[in-house]
This record gives sequence, structure tokens and C-alpha cells, in this order.
Amino acid sequence: DADVTQTPRNRITKTGKRIMLECSQTKGHDRMYWYRQDPGLGLRLIYYSFDVKDINKGEISDGYSVSRQAQAKFSLSLESAIPNQTALYFCATSDFPSVVGQETQYFGPGTRLLVL
Amino acid sequence: AQTVTQSQPEMSVQEAETVTLSCTYDTSESDYYLFWYKQPPSRQMILVIRQEAYKQQNATENRFSVNFQKAAKSFSLKISDSQLGDAAMYFCAYRRPNDYKLSFGAGTTVTVRA
Repeated sequence: DADVTQTPRNRITKTGKRIMLECSQTKGHDRMYWYRQDPGLGLRLIYYSFDVKDINKGEISDGYSVSRQAQAKFSLSLESAIPNQTALYFCATSDFPSVVGQETQYFGPGTRLLVL
Repeated sequence: AQTVTQSQPEMSVQEAETVTLSCTYDTSESDYYLFWYKQPPSRQMILVIRQEAYKQQNATENRFSVNFQKAAKSFSLKISDSQLGDAAMYFCAYRRPNDYKLSFGAGTTVTVRA
């Protein structure tokens, strides 16, 4: 299903350009996340947001910024793209379950970004 | 910080056979959650199975089962009766209680031979 969508699916840009990756969800979840996937490193958390007014840095936030425009939308920006930001980027959402620990993250299809 | 290690970059299995993927993790917590995610060529990350550390019983989801060894901090995934559609990269992930951030391993690519 397409509960979590990401646009664009693929993007090529040049060093120094500003780029925005967008994520939308129809799951009604409050929590949203941005991850980056690199070969041999798995997924690493860039930013996360627990509601519209809450933004938190993850483990690799340098060079990135985010905007939570609404409960359903969470955008990731690269203000000045550099080649080592070439990666696969995932958005994820999760709910706040009534049972602690039952939270599950649902991922979008990913955006493949190439910075030349 | 928690570390999740998947020591097998690639695994190959014959269709209908069984394959086991290893995962170890480092934590000082006594309660936590472990996950296996599947990433097929479509890139979609799909939750395969979840294990709560306080549960001694190993989780099972159809052909997927885990061997959770808490003392050894080991969380392996067994895929039984492998099917062509099981070909994917598999990620092990860890999460502390009351913390919604996942820590991922580097992944294991599984190929299924017809």
C-alpha cells in the first residue's frame, strides 16, 4: 500500500544546490523520521519529529534540516548538497501505541539521491 | 550508543532450503526490542518480525523465526522453505524501551537460487 509516500523517487543534483525531499503519510501517525542508508552502514537516523511542533536531531543531522508542515508531511532539506550526501533516503512513521513497546515504524519507498 | 552487527554481508540459499542470518548487538539495557526488516529490490522496508527482550519465547511469523539468545546478545533470523520472493537485503534493528529510534545493522543480502 502507499501509506507513506516519498517524492521524488530518484534525483540527481549538483554540488552546492539546495534540494528538498518530501514525505507524506496517510496513516494518521504523529511520529515521523528521516533515515539515510549507505552501503555497509545500514540506516542512520537524521531527524525525527513526534508532533508538528517537535523536531529532534538524530545521529547524523549535520548538513540537513527538516520541516514538519503538518501531521502528514515531513520534509528533509539539503541546504548545499555535497557528494558524500549521495545515499538512499527513507522516511518512516510510527504511531503511539497503547501498549508500550508495540510501536512499529512504517517506511516509505525511499529516495535515491546522487550529488555530482 | 547501541551497536548492531550483522557479520554476513551476503548469504545464498537454494529454493525450499533454510537459511539463517546472524545478528549481534551491544547494550547495557535489560529490556529492549529487536526487529528484522526486509528490503527487496523495490527498496521498500518491510517489517518481518519483532522480539521483545522480556519474552523468552522466540517470535515466529510463518516461515520466519528467530533464535533470541539474550545472554549472548544474539538475534538470528531463520528463513525456512526459502522462496524466490525472499531474495532481499535483511536488516537487524534494535530499540530501547521508551525510545522510538531504531539502530540498524549493516544488512545481509540474501539470494535465492532456483
